[in-house]
Amino acid sequence: DGGITQSPKYLFRKEGQNVTLSCEQNLNHDAMYWYRQDPGQGLRLIYYSQIVNDFQKGDIAEGYSVSREKKESFPLTVTSAQKNPTAFYLCASRRGPGANVLTFGAGSRLTVL
Amino acid sequence: AQTVTQSQPEMSVQEAETVTLSCTYDTSESNYYLFWYKQPPSRQMILVIRQEAYKQQNATENRFSVNFQKAAKSFSLKISDSQLGDTAMYFCAFMKHGPFRDNYGQNFVFGPGTRLSVLP
Repeated sequence: DGGITQSPKYLFRKEGQNVTLSCEQNLNHDAMYWYRQDPGQGLRLIYYSQIVNDFQKGDIAEGYSVSREKKESFPLTVTSAQKNPTAFYLCASRRGPGANVLTFGAGSRLTVL
Repeated sequence: AQTVTQSQPEMSVQEAETVTLSCTYDTSESNYYLFWYKQPPSRQMILVIRQEAYKQQNATENRFSVNFQKAAKSFSLKISDSQLGDTAMYFCAFMKHGPFRDNYGQNFVFGPGTRLSVLP
């Protein structure tokens, strides 16, 4: 079955360390997104990518970085510059410009110790 | 900028009863989409229902229906015959329908969510 796979599901990090969250999709979707979810704040856009080797900052990109070397993959790196990284991270994708539905992965929970 | 408001942080309903979740939004756009997403305890976001703003008819999906009031910028979700599996966070979301060539960049704007508990 097609879908989005995020890994790891749970991740613990010490302060000052960079961590990378994986997002892989086999839906052949063009666009991919990273959202951050905090209690009471809904979802906020970190980065999105419309095409391989291209990506755009979202509303809260500071302290994060991404790459899009393959259509299927859109990893997110949470750097030590992110001041409050403990959160739930959701990856999503959209088929193309005419599509108006986001498909989500199961998410990754990052905890900074 | 668009904003989405969900004024009910938490709600509960008895099994088999009906519940309505509220959502209001603010936009100057005339062409857009509205969505309700469900996030159960597994935290997998699932699309429940969507509405295109140019359609006057309210969308329905089995036990889920919406009341879309475009002039009032209101988009409520009604769940009929509530089931225990409906227990989840429900997010209202807005997406502007932009020019085709720029449509990828259209951000989904999400509300803060309503936590719904279905009681046995």
